[in-house]
Amino acid sequence: QVQLVESGGGVVQPGGSLRLSCAASGFIFSNYGMHWVRQAPGKGLEWVTFIRYDGSSQHYAYSVKGRFTISRDNSKTTLYLQMNSLRVEDTAVYYCVKGHDYDLDYWGQGTLVTVSS
Amino acid sequence: QSALTQPASVSGSPGQSIAISCTGTTSDVGGYDYVSWYQQHPGKAPKVIIYDVSKRPSGVSNRFSGSKSGYTASLTISGLQADDEADYYCCSYAGSSTYVFGTGTKVTVL
Repeated sequence: QVQLVESGGGVVQPGGSLRLSCAASGFIFSNYGMHWVRQAPGKGLEWVTFIRYDGSSQHYAYSVKGRFTISRDNSKTTLYLQMNSLRVEDTAVYYCVKGHDYDLDYWGQGTLVTVSS
Repeated sequence: QSALTQPASVSGSPGQSIAISCTGTTSDVGGYDYVSWYQQHPGKAPKVIIYDVSKRPSGVSNRFSGSKSGYTASLTISGLQADDEADYYCCSYAGSSTYVFGTGTKVTVL
């Protein structure tokens, strides 16, 4: 069965950096695009970024462009999100999500990132 | 990349049908037949219940159905059950491998 396990969340000061990881199993990781989606406490879902199955292109929401970088290591079946210049408004649960054509079909349980001084 | 517009809340009695709207623009809902819907119970990860406007993943109840007209997509839940009480989000492809979610709708079963 598909499993997506996020790690790397925690508390960081504004302006700081954090790298999230997502260990994938139960499917052929190198065949699928992957997303990160976030949800601020008590708020709705926000799409953050997408990477193609082969890592050849990455796409970002305006709110994180230039600060966040998505990457993947298909040999390790792992997805990453490097987050720099973090802001208080980046505080959220970050979900790793498998892409399926034009929808998002399997979600991890999420990892909480808190940006606070 | 403005969020799609959904009603904040919808309620219904067990057995009734309810509909949730999701309004976008020509750049997202109106431009592509790639609207999906997600159900999220408190403290849980979202789960896809409709994709490509009206397709249901295997294992999802046929009480859930989707449609689209112009810039507005809709999710209908028929035969409302207690377990349907959750938050529901629409999501649309917005071109260039970007996506946009709706504002979310809290469904309450009376």
